[in-house]
Amino acid sequence: EADIYQTPRYLVIGTGKKITLECSQTMGHDKMYWYQQDPGMELHLIHYSYGVNSTEKGDLSSESTVSRIRTEHFPLTLESARPSHTSQYLCASSIPQGGEKLFFGSGTQLSVL
Amino acid sequence: DAKTTQPNSMESNEEEPVHLPCNHSTISGTDYIHWYRQLPSQGPEYVIHGLTSNVNNRMASLAIAEDRKSSTLILHRATLRDAAVYYCILDTGKLIFGQGTTLQVKP
Repeated sequence: EADIYQTPRYLVIGTGKKITLECSQTMGHDKMYWYQQDPGMELHLIHYSYGVNSTEKGDLSSESTVSRIRTEHFPLTLESARPSHTSQYLCASSIPQGGEKLFFGSGTQLSVL
Repeated sequence: DAKTTQPNSMESNEEEPVHLPCNHSTISGTDYIHWYRQLPSQGPEYVIHGLTSNVNNRMASLAIAEDRKSSTLILHRATLRDAAVYYCILDTGKLIFGQGTTLQVKP
């Protein structure tokens, strides 16, 4: 099974703070993704990457940014957090297996006060 | 982006089969059909996927219509642990999740 890790699991911060949500995977997967999900709502793709030095915006506009300097690491950064950023952020990686098979982390629940 | 349509919710009794439908009339020839499920307070997990032929694995079966405009996820014997949101997704290079079907399993 896949090993994909997200830290922190929960984060409560004040408005205006800069934060970085960490996501790491140990399977050598090229493709990685960030989804955002509000309680009871669908997942929205906000960023994805095809590999090192590749980053693309997803279908939902987000004020966050991502980087992909190493294959195993795909951090998401908010330069100045706001209450509207309160949400769950889910990281995933995938392998081509007749289409892309996604493996998800446990998520980071972000609360901005 | 290719879109799927699923019922918002379904109910099943424990130990009975469940058929979860999905319409994807705009599917193109190379789009794989994926199913994921999300249990409460967890990230989604892969269930099954297919292209044209029906597929079986230890979790479920996937029945794909001949014209590929619809598919059905089959849970052969629902258990209480199968209560989750089930997402039907077309793999167009990006996996875009819709609202999914919330499955309730009654004891």
